[in-house]
Amino acid sequence: AQSVTQLDSQVPVFEEAPVELRCNYSSSVSVYLFWYVQYPNQGLQLLLKYLSGSTLVKGINGFEAEFNKSQTSFHLRKPSVHISDTAEYFCAVSDPRGGADGLTFGKGTHLIIQP
Amino acid sequence: DARVTQTPRHKVTEMGQEVTMRCQPILGHNTVFWYRQTMMQGLELLAYFRNRAPLDDSGMPKDRFSAEMPDATLATLKIQPSEPRDSAVYFCASGLGWTEAFFGQGTRLTVV
Repeated sequence: AQSVTQLDSQVPVFEEAPVELRCNYSSSVSVYLFWYVQYPNQGLQLLLKYLSGSTLVKGINGFEAEFNKSQTSFHLRKPSVHISDTAEYFCAVSDPRGGADGLTFGKGTHLIIQP
Repeated sequence: DARVTQTPRHKVTEMGQEVTMRCQPILGHNTVFWYRQTMMQGLELLAYFRNRAPLDDSGMPKDRFSAEMPDATLATLKIQPSEPRDSAVYFCASGLGWTEAFFGQGTRLTVV
């Protein structure tokens, strides 16, 4: 079975400061990895994904993430945050072969941008 | 702009009533997921389909929940009878295999 741990439930950051949201996964097989963002009363929107190839993945809104297989991590980063980045961020993992777990999500990290 | 459409967006119903939530996946997508989101449990996978065939529904309470895909343009999630503990936001998502999932706006269900 696969699982995702988002180590911080809430991260406060000042506007224009850098931010890192941490994600660790557990899986016995190779994985696909994702970061999604959810704004209030909205569905989840894909920020970026890692399927294969380069371990540094760039996404929308200036976000990027790095896949580290040895540390089983996929941390999300942004060099300078904006008030509009305030949202809930979810890390997710899936098995490329499919399987009963589908896309498994972490509990989410609430990013709070302070002016 | 292709998107997953869910109806209704909001539903308030009395305990014991049947609830049906509908989802129109993105045309051409072969995988459809149903998730439930609550504050306590986060995002839980209820069921998913591949090429309209149910692959797994182990996350659903079998006695009251059922999920179907009568055709490629419609997925349904039914609760009968509904209970207050079913109050949550239900999301449908579609994609190509397991390479990603596009989410709908969700159905916010309140059972009183």
